[in-house]
Parts: sequence; structure tokens; C-alpha cells
Amino acid sequence: GAVVSQHPSWVICKSGTSVKIECRSLDFQATTMFWYRQFPKQSLMLMATSNEGSKATYEQGVEKDKFLINHASLTLSTLTVTSAHPEDSSFYICSAGTYTWTEAFFGQGTRLTVV
Amino acid sequence: ELKVEQNPLFLSMQEGKNYTIYCNYSTTSDRLYWYRQDPGKSLESLFVLLSNGAVKQEGRLMASLDTKARLSTLHITAAVHDLSATYFCAVYPLDTTSGTYKYIFGTGTRLKVLA
Repeated sequence: GAVVSQHPSWVICKSGTSVKIECRSLDFQATTMFWYRQFPKQSLMLMATSNEGSKATYEQGVEKDKFLINHASLTLSTLTVTSAHPEDSSFYICSAGTYTWTEAFFGQGTRLTVV
Repeated sequence: ELKVEQNPLFLSMQEGKNYTIYCNYSTTSDRLYWYRQDPGKSLESLFVLLSNGAVKQEGRLMASLDTKARLSTLHITAAVHDLSATYFCAVYPLDTTSGTYKYIFGTGTRLKVLA
């Protein structure tokens, strides 16, 4: 399968600061990227869908100004958690695919801890 | 409201036994995915089911899809300890509001295989 790389794998930040998570498709051009959030022992919750060159489509209840998603190129999407608070601590996972593929591929995930 | 429900949510079984995990979904989706997740890790793709009646097998796991009943099953044969993990199904419906497809994950089934 195709390779999706997510960075960093884990990050600890202070409350009130911002943190950026990168999602890269290493061996293909991803027309679509998805961002998920997962709390311990829960399922994956879709946060937003981003298509290259256009604004991300956020799911209901996800704050656009808090979770900034940028999909500036066909190989890179970023999620920036702005003014992070302890309740933003979670496991964030991205996935990437193309319009013609039958499945998307997942990054390794980023564990964010806000202290 | 779109729902993807798995049954059971928790499963503890002895090695050597058989069991089936069920995935019911409430919307039209012509494809269904099964994933495995180990603690602290991202998702590992197990099966991609693309049509009604599709059946796929890999080792001790077999998945099937009935799009008319909106039901998929993941059957475990002669379970071994290494199968202990959380299993997720996911559907890929069209969001008519945004005009985009997105992955919606089931509630997850935490499987523990006892030696």
C-alpha cells in the first residue's frame, strides 16, 4: 500500500500554545486528506476533509478557528491546534487518498498532550 | 443521523474458539473497510469490501459484506493471542451536503484472546 507519514509521533505542549501536525503522502499525490481525532478507548471521529487547493470541510461541532487545516500541496496537509488546552489532548490521525482509489491510507498518528 | 454500530463492543474469548463481529450501518455505502488497531498505534488495513456479497479471507480472519442488509461481518476462526486488538469497520458514504465522500468508523470491538 501507499505510505502516509505523520509528524510528530508525539508532542507535549503548554496550555495556550499552538502545535502543528504534518501529514505527508510519500509516494503518491493525495487529492484528499482526512483528519481524525481519537480519545482513549473510543472510535475515530472525523474532524475534517481537505481537498488540495480548496478549503477544508469541517464536521459539525469541530471548531474551524481552533483546528486549522491546510492542504497546500498534493503531498502535504497540516493540522494546527491553536491555543491548545488540556481537553485537546488526544490521538490525531490523518489519512490520504486519491479520487480514483478505493481506499485511503493512514498515518502513524500523533499523540498530543497539553499540560 | 448516520450510525455505524459494531457488536459486541468487548469480546473476551479463549484461544482456539470461533467468533463473529458484526457491523451494521444506517446509510448507503457500496464499500466497507475493516481495520485493526493495537494500543497506541494507528490503523492497519485488513479488508476492503467493494461490492455486495464480497467475501475476503486472510489467515484466521474472514470478512463479508451484505449491502442490502447494510451488514458486514468479521469472522475469527481458531483465535490466537496475537489477534488481541481493537477492530473497526468503516463505511464510505457520500455526504450530500458537502458533496464529498468520507470514512465513518464504527464503534469498535475490543478483542482479547486468552491463552
